[in-house]
Amino acid sequence: GENVEQHPSTLSVQEGDSAVIKCTYSDSASNYFPWYKQELGKRPQLIIDIRSNVGEKKDQRIAVTLNKTAKHFSLHITETQPEDSAVYFCAASIITDKLIFGTGTRLQVFP
Amino acid sequence: DTAVSQTPKYLVTQMGNDKSIKCEQNLGHDTMYWYKQDSKKFLKIMFSYNNKELIINETVPNRFSPKSPDKAHLNLHINSLELGDSAVYFCASSTGTGGYTFGSGTRLTVV
Repeated sequence: GENVEQHPSTLSVQEGDSAVIKCTYSDSASNYFPWYKQELGKRPQLIIDIRSNVGEKKDQRIAVTLNKTAKHFSLHITETQPEDSAVYFCAASIITDKLIFGTGTRLQVFP
Repeated sequence: DTAVSQTPKYLVTQMGNDKSIKCEQNLGHDTMYWYKQDSKKFLKIMFSYNNKELIINETVPNRFSPKSPDKAHLNLHINSLELGDSAVYFCASSTGTGGYTFGSGTRLTVV
């Protein structure tokens, strides 16, 4: 079955700096890669996703890149703000199947 | 209107008791899920239903029994609760072709 590894487990950055979180997946059949943000005590919320027919997707300050050959995908947050502080989860699935989540990255943005 | 609603939000109960968590979605999604988030924040799928039919049943003890009376509802009943069942349980729904929408979670504490 699918296995998703996520690094780093914690990430501290200064406000305004960039943050990068990386994930690798094991099942080459996976074709859908969402990212979720979970603030303390709240539900995971979808922030961006990418499908396997696309190499990169951007939405304002966040972007996701996918390297299907290497089975890597990454989340990039530019110009970080304190409200970006949260736990971020990557996930992978074969569309219509279950999402397998990474272990999460706790991002702290210091003012 | 809340898209995916779960009740109760908090549940504190003694070992050995039986309890239920309810979930309802008003998004018209065909697929619903139960995920367990442990103390280390790891999100693990438990069950998936598509249009009232069970399609995924991970290696979950048979003390956990999901029930889907219709495609908008997926409830979780837990028998003979154990200390290790303490976690946050998230219900989610999706169209089956994209990201999930999560409920607000039920924090279960077994004492």
